Amino acid sequence: DQQVKQNSPSLSVQEGRISILNCDYTNSMFDYFLWYKKYPAEGPTFLISISSIKDKNEDGRFTVFLNKSAKHLSLHIVPSQPGDSAVYFCAALTGTASKLTFGTGTRLQVTL
Amino acid sequence: KAGVTQTPRYLIKTRGQQVTLSCSPISGHRSVSWYQQTPGQGLQFLFEYFSETQRNKGNFPGRFSGRQFSNSRSEMNVSTLELGDSALYLCASSLTMGLKETQYFGPGTRLLVL
Repeated sequence: DQQVKQNSPSLSVQEGRISILNCDYTNSMFDYFLWYKKYPAEGPTFLISISSIKDKNEDGRFTVFLNKSAKHLSLHIVPSQPGDSAVYFCAALTGTASKLTFGTGTRLQVTL
Repeated sequence: KAGVTQTPRYLIKTRGQQVTLSCSPISGHRSVSWYQQTPGQGLQFLFEYFSETQRNKGNFPGRFSGRQFSNSRSEMNVSTLELGDSALYLCASSLTMGLKETQYFGPGTRLLVL
């Protein structure tokens, strides 16, 4: 049972444009969400997180939006850069924060 | 500051064997978590250790175990290996306990079970 879903396995965006990566979840007990970026042959790198008491969190070019009623979050990267090409994972935590549940990842390719 | 290191980086084992993977956290970090990444299941949380005690655990069978030493270094053991255990095993460290803490991942150990 995949409680965190990233339905787009891949996404291609032109340099300078906006990249939007989506994530849906089914467990209403999730109240904290994180995005990680992963390059080949490296471990994931934390990007940005959001608590369920917020609907938006921004950090430089990265913004995460949370729509609790739709159980949906998205990561916006503006402007996209070639170095952003990587696999992006969303992850979720319940209130007890005892188990981190990941999505299956979206491979982003930023083209010139 | 040196990052999270994992040894070995690559490992080949046969079914039924056991394996021990090692993780050295960033200096000063006291929490270590372990994850399994497979093409089919994605990234899955195994367990978290803090102060030599397992604090949180994912949904894996008892064949998967771990421990943490007083210097925060951690080992993960998988006994009676199965073909499905072939995966990239990642460890991550954070300053303190809790999965909301920013975790820093190592490069992983790629295990192949034949």
